[in-house]
Amino acid sequence: DTEVTQTPKHLVMGMTNKKSLKCEQHMGHRAMYWYKQKAKKPPELMFVYSYEKLSINESVPSRFSPECPNSSLLNLHLHALQPEDSALYLCASSRTDRLRNTIYFGEGSWLTVV
Amino acid sequence: SQQGEEDPQALSIQEGENATMNCSYKTSINNLQWYRQNSGRGLVHLILIRSNEREKHSGRLRVTLDTSKKSSSLLITASRAADTASYFCATDGAGNTGKLIFGQGTTLQVKP
Repeated sequence: DTEVTQTPKHLVMGMTNKKSLKCEQHMGHRAMYWYKQKAKKPPELMFVYSYEKLSINESVPSRFSPECPNSSLLNLHLHALQPEDSALYLCASSRTDRLRNTIYFGEGSWLTVV
Repeated sequence: SQQGEEDPQALSIQEGENATMNCSYKTSINNLQWYRQNSGRGLVHLILIRSNEREKHSGRLRVTLDTSKKSSSLLITASRAADTASYFCATDGAGNTGKLIFGQGTTLQVKP
């Protein structure tokens, strides 16, 4: 069972809406990640937070805005999205961002932009 | 960009048979991880194998790593219908920067 919790599981939003995806872990992990996954494709990295600081932004459009309020929480703020942004958004965490550590994923948030 | 290539893209077997999936990658790595994803669900971590390891077992899973060939394989023995899922390998690209790069995945169907 995953110990990374994502809410909501499903989200439908219009192109002018502002919404947020939330992620929480209580494993004491200091690295957290956002991935985007389109149907029948592998996950693609969007952002990495290490010790609550953004360490990697994979050239993600500014309509996606990550936030790490504390070591247990990770948010992804969404604004003015496009229909092609519809995807499964996966949050993950690991003990640190040194990749000798296992990365644990949540169940994901299905986003549909209409 | 995706580093890994997985082979085959799709695999269909009968319950009780073994399933082998292969993963190739392009750059040096520190470790390689295998994940399972049931349809519409999150990724479940299966095994992490380090670059100085050649083989690792976990229950019915056996993973091998050949760094000279830049390839890994995942063997599932005595498959069950519940093993039906997509399987992804993921590498760190040796940068150790928190960037996990996934292969394209193998879709496994186990028929009861």
